Amino acid sequence: KNEVEQSPQNLTAQEGEFITINCSYSVGISALHWLQQHPGGGIVSLFMLSSGKKKHGRLIATINIQEKHSSLHITASHPRDSAVYICAVVSHSGAGSYQLTFGKGTKLSVIP
Amino acid sequence: NAGVTQTPKFQVLKTGQSMTLQCAQDMNHNSMYWYRQDPGMGLRLIYYSASEGTTDKGEVPNGYNVSRLNKREFSLRLESAAPSQTSVYFCASTQRTPRSYNEQFFGPGTRLTVL
Repeated sequence: KNEVEQSPQNLTAQEGEFITINCSYSVGISALHWLQQHPGGGIVSLFMLSSGKKKHGRLIATINIQEKHSSLHITASHPRDSAVYICAVVSHSGAGSYQLTFGKGTKLSVIP
Repeated sequence: NAGVTQTPKFQVLKTGQSMTLQCAQDMNHNSMYWYRQDPGMGLRLIYYSASEGTTDKGEVPNGYNVSRLNKREFSLRLESAAPSQTSVYFCASTQRTPRSYNEQFFGPGTRLTVL
C-alpha cells in the first residue's frame, strides 16, 4: 500500500505570501492528483500530473518521480485560498484499474 | 450539468437504524466510488464500481453495501448503523480507460452522525 505524507499539516500565512505544500509517497505511481477542499466541505480537482510541472493561475504543481515527491505552490496568497489541500497518488492495480491513496491534507489559513 | 450530486446532505441516525445514501452523476462516467472522510485521516475507499453492473470492495467495506443501479446512480447502504460509521461520505466518478487514469469528480458530501 502506498504511504502518502503531506507537510505541513497546518499552515498559516499572511496575504501575499508564497506558499509551498509538500507531498511524498513511498511507491511508484501512475499519476498524482492535487485536490482542494473548501471550508464548506466540497472537493475540487486542482491538478493531475505524472511528470514535470503544471500551472493554473497562481497555482503551480511540480512532481519529481525519481524522488517520489510533489509540491503545490501558491503565489501571492489570498484569504480565498484558505482550504484543505489534499494530495492523492494514483497506482495502477491491474486490469485497467487504478487506486487512489490520499494524504491527510494540509489546512491552509491565509490571514488578510 | 450538475456533475455529481449526493442526497441527503446531513443525516442523524440511531445505532441499528438503516439508511441509503444516494449518488448520481450526469457526466456519462463509467466508474463511480464511495469514500469516507474521518478527522485526522485521508479519504478512504469503501466500495467502487468500475463499470455498470460491477462492484468491488475498497479499503473499508465492512458494514456497507452498494448498488450500481444504472450508469448514472450508485447508492451506499448502511444496514445497521454503528457510531463508528459517523463520518463524511463522498461519492466520486470518473471515465475509466484501460491505459490511463482520468481525474475523479467529487460530490458535495453527506455528513452522517450515528448516535
